Amino acid sequence: DADVTQTPRNRITKTGKRIMLECSQTKGHDRMYWYRQDPGLGLRLIYYSFDVKDINKGEISDGYSVSRQAQAKFSLSLESAIPNQTALYFCATSPSLAEYNEQFFGPGTRLTVL
Amino acid sequence: QKEVEQNSGPLSVPEGAIASLNCTYSDRVSQSFFWYRQYSGKSPELIMSIYSNGDKEDGRFTAQLNKASQYVSLLIRDSQPSDSATYLCAVNILPYNTDKLIFGTGTRLQVFP
Repeated sequence: DADVTQTPRNRITKTGKRIMLECSQTKGHDRMYWYRQDPGLGLRLIYYSFDVKDINKGEISDGYSVSRQAQAKFSLSLESAIPNQTALYFCATSPSLAEYNEQFFGPGTRLTVL
Repeated sequence: QKEVEQNSGPLSVPEGAIASLNCTYSDRVSQSFFWYRQYSGKSPELIMSIYSNGDKEDGRFTAQLNKASQYVSLLIRDSQPSDSATYLCAVNILPYNTDKLIFGTGTRLQVFP
């Protein structure tokens, strides 16, 4: 049983299309994150949320937006997709009371923008 | 200088050998350090965390932290072909209650039979 799920797992879309990636978790964690991973660049933080009313930009938030619909759900949107947003996208969670911030990742979404 | 640096590899070791993976970081006040394993096309999986100077052992894995020299390493004893993956080092670059991690680009490990 997956604690962190992401949908869709794979998506091919065209330049200019709006797309939403969804993340759900059953771990009961307050903190959720969106990362993208590109070859040679590693994992980079896009947005993060410490609770339902808290949204923060990461290092590469331009071209993305997020919505924290509930404690368990955190969605990432690309309003107008462009080819350099082709990447592997991961959602992660961590418990707010953890002293040392261990993060747990979902299975990822492979996004291709043509 | 990158905040978290790792040699990209590949690091090739024979089955049964010790694999040694290294990571250096730039922020002297970092408090929390993590090693993730990532198989090709899969998500990162947390395998070790370490917060104090010295060694921490968990099964075949040992994490070593030296804050004075700003490096953290991961030793894998009795390496198996199933250990072949990319290993990501992650560091909290600010005091631990800020809850953001910076990841290195990873070291690819190849264990050959």
